[in-house]
Amino acid sequence: DIQMTQSPSVLSASVGDRVTLNCKASQNINKYLNWYQQKLGEAPKLLIYNTNNLQTGIPSRFSGSGSGTDYTLTISSLQPEDVATYFCFQHNSWLTFGSGTKLEIK
Amino acid sequence: QVTLKESGPGILQPSQTLSLTCTFSGFSLSTYGMGVGWIRQPSGKGLEWLANIWWDDDKYYNPSLKNRLTISKDTSNNQAFLKITNVDTADTATYYCARITMMVLDPIPHWFAYWGQGTLVTVSS
Repeated sequence: DIQMTQSPSVLSASVGDRVTLNCKASQNINKYLNWYQQKLGEAPKLLIYNTNNLQTGIPSRFSGSGSGTDYTLTISSLQPEDVATYFCFQHNSWLTFGSGTKLEIK
Repeated sequence: QVTLKESGPGILQPSQTLSLTCTFSGFSLSTYGMGVGWIRQPSGKGLEWLANIWWDDDKYYNPSLKNRLTISKDTSNNQAFLKITNVDTADTATYYCARITMMVLDPIPHWFAYWGQGTLVTVSS
């Protein structure tokens, strides 16, 4: 099984900050990495697929990068509506979600 | 417009079989490249993939739960189903279904771009 570890588990930042969320796989996942945003009481929403591809309709302040075992989701300028939990997801070998990073506004 | 909606029993007792239905619109599970997956989330916790079914009736299960899961579909009525046998309190969660697509010229599936609202299932005696 591929384990996905996200850090930090909780992140507090100010509006307008550049924010970086991390996801580390237990083995090489060949960029088969998606990011999902889940707001309180809602279903997850796909933000980024295959490491760096922005899903249709997602604001351009979201971007993804990485390779091998290490991946990041960056929000270039944090907005109040970005408060959510963010999950990474690997689809290189079977399917596994990370444990999530809860993003809060200071 | 793609929509999915899950339905289930709400509450059931330990050792019973959980039956879930995903009713969708905006796509067909008889169309090449289409699939539906099931994912669950205990309250306040992370997401766990359970199973997928594809247009060609190919099925994949989470190895850790495989012996308890059965996924199926009814293409005529645009529905997908998931059964979990011998439930326990650990199966208490919100259960989601989500669409998967695979294009002819791209071998990498587009995972879970559309989700249902989820249905809460509580296992309690």
